[in-house]
Amino acid sequence: EDKVVQSPLSLVVHEGDTVTLNCSYEVTNFRSLLWYKQEKKAPTFLFMLTSSGIEKKSGRLSSILDKKELFSILNITATQTGDSAVYLCAACEYGNKLVFGAGTILRVKS
Amino acid sequence: DGGITQSPKYLFRKEGQNVTLSCEQNLNHDAMYWYRQDPGQGLRLIYYSQIVNDFQKGDIAEGYSVSREKKESFPLTVTSAQKNPTAFYLCASSMSFGGGELFFGEGSRLTVL
Repeated sequence: EDKVVQSPLSLVVHEGDTVTLNCSYEVTNFRSLLWYKQEKKAPTFLFMLTSSGIEKKSGRLSSILDKKELFSILNITATQTGDSAVYLCAACEYGNKLVFGAGTILRVKS
Repeated sequence: DGGITQSPKYLFRKEGQNVTLSCEQNLNHDAMYWYRQDPGQGLRLIYYSQIVNDFQKGDIAEGYSVSREKKESFPLTVTSAQKNPTAFYLCASSMSFGGGELFFGEGSRLTVL
């Protein structure tokens, strides 16, 4: 059965801390891995990763994929209160639907 | 602006009543999806449509129905057969099915009293 597991389920940090969110996946015919940020309602797209070992960056956020070990990490440096959200990871199979993990709830305290 | 519009944002219904959630997109996307989100769980796929006049069951289709008569529209009906309908419902679209990035609507929160 296809599955995506995210860890930790939740964490609380202070502003300025660096956090690492984990996502492991088991899907057949893997195509890509996606990260989304969900603050209150609609998830917003962060990254799509298709190749192993190539880091994608956007400001303080970065992500990398390891297709051999079947996992991805999302790093957030110098966290701010605006980073508080649920971070969703999803694995995409060729010609198929996305499989979502349960999400990591991040709370950044000022 | 291009995007996905879901309505209503909040909906209360009594047990035994069918309700229909609206989803409209003006992104010219072929594929559309309905997900359900419960606390502590990831998004679970209810139904998806790869192209107009076609739709397929997802992982948790029981108690739900959809239609795709127009490219822009993919309404979801939550029927009285759905045993636990109280949830947050998200509609999404993508340029093509399985093409990766999904664009999401703002969601509809359904509470059954």
